[in-house]
Amino acid sequence: AQKVTQAQTEISVVEKEDVTLDCVYETRDTTYYLFWYKQPPSGELVFLIRRNSFDEQNEISGRYSWNFQKSTSSFNFTITASQVVDSAVYFCALSEASGGSNYKLTFGKGTLLTVNP
Amino acid sequence: DVKVTQSSRYLVKRTGEKVFLECVQDMDHENMFWYRQDPGLGLRLIYFSYDVKMKEKGDIPEGYSVSREKKERFSLILESASTNQTSMYLCASSSNNKILAGVLETQYFGPGTRLLVL
Repeated sequence: AQKVTQAQTEISVVEKEDVTLDCVYETRDTTYYLFWYKQPPSGELVFLIRRNSFDEQNEISGRYSWNFQKSTSSFNFTITASQVVDSAVYFCALSEASGGSNYKLTFGKGTLLTVNP
Repeated sequence: DVKVTQSSRYLVKRTGEKVFLECVQDMDHENMFWYRQDPGLGLRLIYFSYDVKMKEKGDIPEGYSVSREKKERFSLILESASTNQTSMYLCASSSNNKILAGVLETQYFGPGTRLLVL
């Protein structure tokens, strides 16, 4: 069974600090997809990134970067020089690509990030 | 841009009422999903549909049903609302364009409906 753990329930930082959100996953499949979504106070989940299990290259997009390590089953998300607008709940999610469950996303419980001015 | 809309942002209903939550997507996506989100529990899948008139149970289907009569619309039905169904309901959709190639497409979410059952 697939499982996603976001051990950090809440994180509070001061603007301009760097912050890393942890995500650890469990799956028996060799082919799977990992996602990060952002949920601002308005409620809509905003897609940030998707990674497949064969692509371990780290990705950088502006102030956002993702570190995918299969050896530790982790897909961590770092925000550099955080801003107040980064305040949101961030979800990590996993989907296996086989066994008929390739539609299903399993979400972690989310990490509430608060960036204080 | 993908656009997923939900009929209401906020809804207040009474116990025992029949409740319809509507979701519409404009990207011709084959797959549509209903999740509920509760504090401390994250998002949990209620039902999903991979084609018109097709549906499959998710992790927590009890107390819910769904309807997909048209490709762009996916309805979640609470036959007899109960207070434990007070929650945030999120709809999502995704494409099957590359599914035969083993590529899973991203799910895109609507703004959510906050349902309060009194």
